[in-house]
Amino acid sequence: AQSVTQLDSQVPVFEEAPVELRCNYSSSVSVYLFWYVQYPNQGLQLLLKYLSGSTLVKSINGFEAEFNKSQTSFHLRKPSVHISDTAEYFCAVGGSGNTGKLIFGQGTTLQVKP
Amino acid sequence: GAGVSQSPRYKVTKRGQDVTLRCDPISSHATLYWYQQALGQGPEFLTYFNYEAQPDKSGLPSDRFSAERPEGSISTLTIQRTEQRDSAMYRCASSLGTSGDTQYFGPGTRLTVL
Repeated sequence: AQSVTQLDSQVPVFEEAPVELRCNYSSSVSVYLFWYVQYPNQGLQLLLKYLSGSTLVKSINGFEAEFNKSQTSFHLRKPSVHISDTAEYFCAVGGSGNTGKLIFGQGTTLQVKP
Repeated sequence: GAGVSQSPRYKVTKRGQDVTLRCDPISSHATLYWYQQALGQGPEFLTYFNYEAQPDKSGLPSDRFSAERPEGSISTLTIQRTEQRDSAMYRCASSLGTSGDTQYFGPGTRLTVL
């Protein structure tokens, strides 16, 4: 069985500060890893994903995440956050069989303060 | 269509009533997923379709829940004899294929059972 743990339910941070949202997973098979973001009053959107190859993946808006197999982690980082990054972030794992179903963590609310 | 749409966006019903939720996926997408998201939690997998086939319905909580996609496009999720514990956001997503493909989410249907 697969599972995802997001260690922080809320992360408050000041604008232009760095941030790290933590995600750990468990799986007995090879995994694909995803970060989805939900802005207020909107649906879930893919931020970035790891399928294979380079363990460091980046999004178009400055976020990056590194797949660490030995630590079973996929932490999300940004060196300098903006007010507009305020949202809920979900880590998810997939790859068990061919179903494509995702197992989500409980989410981390990023609150960027001016 | 341009994106995944869901209707209704909000549904309030009384305990014991049946409800049907609708999902209209991106037109070129073969795969469609249903997730249930309780308040403060991440989405949880219910079922998925590959065109009109339903290979996995392991996440449906009880036999009161059923889903169909008869022509491989629009899908409906029906909850019979609703209970208060069914109150949640119901999210639909579609993707081109399955494992590893990006899932595009609709805005969700907020179901409240009184």
